[in-house]
Amino acid sequence: EAQVTQNPRYLITVTGKKLTVTCSQNMNHEYMSWYRQDPGLGLRQIYYSMNVEVTDKGDVPEGYKVSRKEKRNFPLILESPSPNQTSLYFCASSRPGPEQYFGPGTRLTVT
Amino acid sequence: QKEVEQDPGPLSVPEGAIVSLNCTYSNSAFQYFMWYRQYSRKGPELLMYTYSSGNKEDGRFTAQVDKSSKYISLFIRDSQPSDSATYLCAMSARAGSARQLTFGSGTQLTVLP
Repeated sequence: EAQVTQNPRYLITVTGKKLTVTCSQNMNHEYMSWYRQDPGLGLRQIYYSMNVEVTDKGDVPEGYKVSRKEKRNFPLILESPSPNQTSLYFCASSRPGPEQYFGPGTRLTVT
Repeated sequence: QKEVEQDPGPLSVPEGAIVSLNCTYSNSAFQYFMWYRQYSRKGPELLMYTYSSGNKEDGRFTAQVDKSSKYISLFIRDSQPSDSATYLCAMSARAGSARQLTFGSGTQLTVLP
């Protein structure tokens, strides 16, 4: 089954404790992105990658890091999480074109 | 001002009603217009995709784009309880870039049986 998977689905952590959210896709897509979704603000892009070892900032990159060492994986790293990073996070992948395939989401709470 | 404005609702309609969902935008460079549907506790999935102005129909769904007014709409005919979801409009200036989409904030729709 073609899909984007994310882990964990739910995470509660404390301020300053480094965490990684994994994302993997099995569709051989070149493009991958991370979004956060907040009430009233919609989906905002954090980082995107157009291919292995090629990443760039989206609209809200502060406090996040990403890496793309393999085509299928695109982890999101929060080196020192803060409460304002409490959000619902989505990973997405796509070929060149408008349709993106989203993962199921990771709900992160930073206390 | 946000680049894309969308009424958040919530919108509640009886089964069988015609639903109209709308977005306005300010960036005249947008050429690709999409509607994503997001069920509760799921990721968004592409519902409709339109290039430039005009209408596109797919079953009970019709997408309309009016670039002169910077206004897009999604119509749902004969709405069903299974249509209950959040609908997100999205727009892009270029089709082939990962720096792709600007999303509206979403409209929450409930179709009552």
